[in-house]
Amino acid sequence: KNEVEQSPQNLTAQEGEFITINCSYSVGISALHWLQQHPGGGIVSLFMLSSGKKKHGRLIATINIQEKHSSLHITASHPRDSAVYICAVSSLDMRFGAGTRLTVKP
Amino acid sequence: GAVVSQHPSWVICKSGTSVKIECRSLDFQATTMFWYRQFPKQSLMLMATSNEGSKATYEQGVEKDKFLINHASLTLSTLTVTSAHPEDSSFYICSARDFSGGTEAFFGQGTRLTVV
Repeated sequence: KNEVEQSPQNLTAQEGEFITINCSYSVGISALHWLQQHPGGGIVSLFMLSSGKKKHGRLIATINIQEKHSSLHITASHPRDSAVYICAVSSLDMRFGAGTRLTVKP
Repeated sequence: GAVVSQHPSWVICKSGTSVKIECRSLDFQATTMFWYRQFPKQSLMLMATSNEGSKATYEQGVEKDKFLINHASLTLSTLTVTSAHPEDSSFYICSARDFSGGTEAFFGQGTRLTVV
């Protein structure tokens, strides 16, 4: 079993839809990261969480430390949100989920 | 925010040659940098942890003599793929952590290596 499990693996949505990506982990962590990887491969760090909830524009990330679970929400999705979203957990190093490939259709 | 610069962004090389990839932290000191590898449609896999001034720590199954890592300064780590083979073709990406600011990680742009 992977240390970081993400679901779904693939997600297709219509523009404007509310999107949720889930992440569960099985190891002790100091922080959880949500990353966005574009087709060219470049990675952008969206959020770093150790508790609670963070919001940035249309993106919201939550984490439940007791349940070892985090969610990334995208409100009013747009085609430019199409990317691979990766959940990663960090302690001394980082471990990554397999990623969720999101496609938002106009 | 903090910036990590990785160079080159892509490289094509012949089998048997060596390729060097650089990872620089531009506005913070990174005592530790991480090197990852990503095959198509797969997740990032940690290859090694690079510590300034000391030997890198390699993950199980990663050949340290093939993937040479040097972390000579607080802002620069290099990964050299020696005697490259087509199966080394992959996407390589580095990250660095600004430990003075916590555990947030910053990623380089990645390097797509194609060995022909």
